[in-house]
Amino acid sequence: GEEVAQTPKHLVRGEGQKAKLYCAPIKGHSYVFWYQQVLKNEFKFLISFQNENVFDETGMPKERFSAKCLPNSPCSLEIQATKLEDSAVYFCASSQSGVRQPQHFGDGTRLSIL
Amino acid sequence: EDQVTQSPEALRLQEGESSSLNCSYTVSGLRGLFWYRQDPGKGPEFLFTLYSAGEEKEKERLKATLTKKESFLHITAPKPEDSATYLCAVQGGGGTSYGKLTFGQGTILTVHP
Repeated sequence: GEEVAQTPKHLVRGEGQKAKLYCAPIKGHSYVFWYQQVLKNEFKFLISFQNENVFDETGMPKERFSAKCLPNSPCSLEIQATKLEDSAVYFCASSQSGVRQPQHFGDGTRLSIL
Repeated sequence: EDQVTQSPEALRLQEGESSSLNCSYTVSGLRGLFWYRQDPGKGPEFLFTLYSAGEEKEKERLKATLTKKESFLHITAPKPEDSATYLCAVQGGGGTSYGKLTFGQGTILTVHP
């Protein structure tokens, strides 16, 4: 499609439960990026993909967070054993190339951990 | 480590009152500086990319400029619909920062009619 589509818009989980977020990038874009927005405007980079390959995972908390981008499927970000501090808005972005091209963002998934 | 600082944190203008937002940055090998607009409950919307000092881009009432240390977003004769949070982000080329954006804290712009 012409827009980055993220689902669900809002996800509520109890502490310790699993959360899974989805992202469909813009058609033709090879790169997908995930960011976490915790405080009002503080964006933290998590991970990026080039097609189905991990491109940069330097921002991922390795213990509980995992992500995949498989052919012909939306990309996913999964958090195991969620904690209160995982409450945030998770944004996905896609771009045609990994650098110098703008990243286009979806409207995010608001994750609330109770 | 790449760093971005935006000022002011919040800016209130009257309709038609022109002003500028500032984005100061330190980056290892700038690949691009990006300006975005974010409305409440939405994702950042791309506005401009600047690649090298001296470059300028314009779109409607907005003009972005770039020096080696900072970027400005000039807003000419703003309207209430320009009210939003404006985000600046850099993409560096050093170390393991390939591709990721480092964002500033944003400037919340409110334009009163």
